[in-house]
Amino acid sequence: DADVTQTPRNRITKTGKRIMLECSQTKGHDRMYWYRQDPGLGLRLIYYSFDVKDINKGEISDGYSVSRQAQAKFSLSLESAIPNQTALYFCATSDPPQGGSGANVLTFGAGSRLTVL
Amino acid sequence: AQKVTQAQTEISVVEKEDVTLDCVYETRDTTYYLFWYKQPPSGELVFLIRRNSFDEQNEISGRYSWNFQKSTSSFNFTITASQVVDSAVYFCALSEGSSGYSTLTFGKGTMLLVSP
Repeated sequence: DADVTQTPRNRITKTGKRIMLECSQTKGHDRMYWYRQDPGLGLRLIYYSFDVKDINKGEISDGYSVSRQAQAKFSLSLESAIPNQTALYFCATSDPPQGGSGANVLTFGAGSRLTVL
Repeated sequence: AQKVTQAQTEISVVEKEDVTLDCVYETRDTTYYLFWYKQPPSGELVFLIRRNSFDEQNEISGRYSWNFQKSTSSFNFTITASQVVDSAVYFCALSEGSSGYSTLTFGKGTMLLVSP
């Protein structure tokens, strides 16, 4: 089994529908992240969580919400999907940085491709 | 605010050519970390390297090498004798190092196409 598992891997939905993307990990990492990838725009951070009680907005959080249900689970919700949320979504995890500064290496899931019609 | 620029959107080479992928970063921190990730056509993101701002030594790993130049705020990635399997999108990323609560900022990526 993969260290970071995303479900669903592919989803097609309609404008206005509520969508949840789920992420679970077996790495034992405290930190979890949701990124969005669009062609030509790279990866942009949506939300991140440094531990179960911590939730932070990233660069592009509007239109999204998250829930950290447990150390191993971090879900991303689109309350009312719109076509410009069509993208490839990645969940990632990491340990705190060694030495206490900077960011540590991210382990990514395989991605969830979402299409909003 | 931190920023990463990968000016090369797409590079095409023929197998066995050497190729350099450019990465220029901006940060106000004196301590920071730079990363490269590879995304092959299968879509997964694979970690390649993490380098801190105090270590300016170039790094070599097989056919891969990285040139870190603080003076030009660059962290370029060179593939020697490229192979078809090197075809992928490559992302450079930066995290500021003033605390242990930083996140990664990614560049827009460079798509490398290696043809036989």
